Amino acid sequence: SQTIHQWPATLVQPVGSPLSLECTVEGTSNPNLYWYRQAAGRGLQLLFYSVGIGQISSEVPQNLSASRPQDRQFILSSKKLLLSDSGFYLCAWRREGGWDTGELFFGEGSRLTVL
Amino acid sequence: GDSVTQMEGPVTLSEEAFLTINCTYTATGYPSLFWYVQYPGEGLQLLLKATKADDKGSNKGFEATYRKETTSFHLEKGSVQVSDSAVYFCALSDRTNAGKSTFGDGTTLTVKP
Repeated sequence: SQTIHQWPATLVQPVGSPLSLECTVEGTSNPNLYWYRQAAGRGLQLLFYSVGIGQISSEVPQNLSASRPQDRQFILSSKKLLLSDSGFYLCAWRREGGWDTGELFFGEGSRLTVL
Repeated sequence: GDSVTQMEGPVTLSEEAFLTINCTYTATGYPSLFWYVQYPGEGLQLLLKATKADDKGSNKGFEATYRKETTSFHLEKGSVQVSDSAVYFCALSDRTNAGKSTFGDGTTLTVKP
């Protein structure tokens, strides 16, 4: 069966510090991968998505970047965090091509607080 | 572009009450429609889905029917329980849109005993 894990689950960082959130998917190959951010009491904002290794599309200009060094690994990074980067970050995957049902499978989420 | 509009919350109901959360969408293609649920401190999980017009998705007593003529996918449950307290997201997925999904803003449901 397929699983998705992201870590760390909780992170408290000072303004100006770097960030690295990691997400891995198991039990499938060549998934589409996504990073979403959920601000407190609000909906989901798509930050990045990837359809393959090294292929990253950014949805909104911001202080964050994403990378996909391996087929089932997706990393969200920042060189210098801002207060506005605080939020709940969700990684998700979706089956690719002919196996795609449109359903997203989400990780447990990473809560980032920037102080 | 694609968009999803869902009923604003929060919604507070007593146990065993009837639930409706409205959801309407706009899309250029022929999307699949979804309801996801998020329990406190967790990620989202699929509640139900419908892939074409007139399909009815159902799970755990929840239902939603894909209505193309009204571009709607309203979520209903006949008798809610305290354990249904969560945030509910309506979403669409269009294969012509690079595999991206579009979400509503979420509706927070609180069920009181």
